[in-house]
Amino acid sequence: QKEVEQNSGPLSVPEGAIASLNCTYSDRGSQSFFWYRQYSGKSPELIMSIYSNGDKEDGRFTAQLNKASQYVSLLIRDSQPSDSATYLCAAPGREYGNKLVFGAGTILRVKS
Amino acid sequence: DTAVSQTPKYLVTQMGNDKSIKCEQNLGHDTMYWYKQDSKKFLKIMFSYNNKELIINETVPNRFSPKSPDKAHLNLHINSLELGDSAVYFCASSQDLTGDLSRKKLFFGSGTQLSVL
Repeated sequence: QKEVEQNSGPLSVPEGAIASLNCTYSDRGSQSFFWYRQYSGKSPELIMSIYSNGDKEDGRFTAQLNKASQYVSLLIRDSQPSDSATYLCAAPGREYGNKLVFGAGTILRVKS
Repeated sequence: DTAVSQTPKYLVTQMGNDKSIKCEQNLGHDTMYWYKQDSKKFLKIMFSYNNKELIINETVPNRFSPKSPDKAHLNLHINSLELGDSAVYFCASSQDLTGDLSRKKLFFGSGTQLSVL
């Protein structure tokens, strides 16, 4: 079982809709979770981090964490074509040293 | 004023050659990393250094040798390059490895696209 799993997509949503991206993780001891956005040919860019159960909102982005079910999600409200990118979920690995383990990423396409 | 900078951005070379990628961060971070992203966009850690000390060494061929002369620099040297080494290599840094989870956020360099012919 992979440590962090995501549906590779592509996920297609119309402009203005809510995009919902999901991620599951295997290590129950994980305490912190990160969402990175990566445009084609660019480096990953941190957009959200979440450490506690529940929701965390930042502008059009909401991260949701459910530790009991071991999933973390990212909602993007009012999706824009500029949101089209690959979204990477990351969680700490089992070892010391801040080994961040990334999921394979979900490709999001927002159609105008 | 780039926070994490790596050079070169593109590297095209022949099989069997030796090459190096350099990375520098001006964020004052203690911890630096090398990640490899393959053609399927899967991002996987290779090495991690904390204050010049090797912390993480994943299952990577020993043709790959990282070097950290100081905590602001982490270079990657690759010997006897193979076709399978073709990928994008990202350098990254984080503040440190203390318990505060916010200090573990990764900041990435712009990547080095390595093509082995």
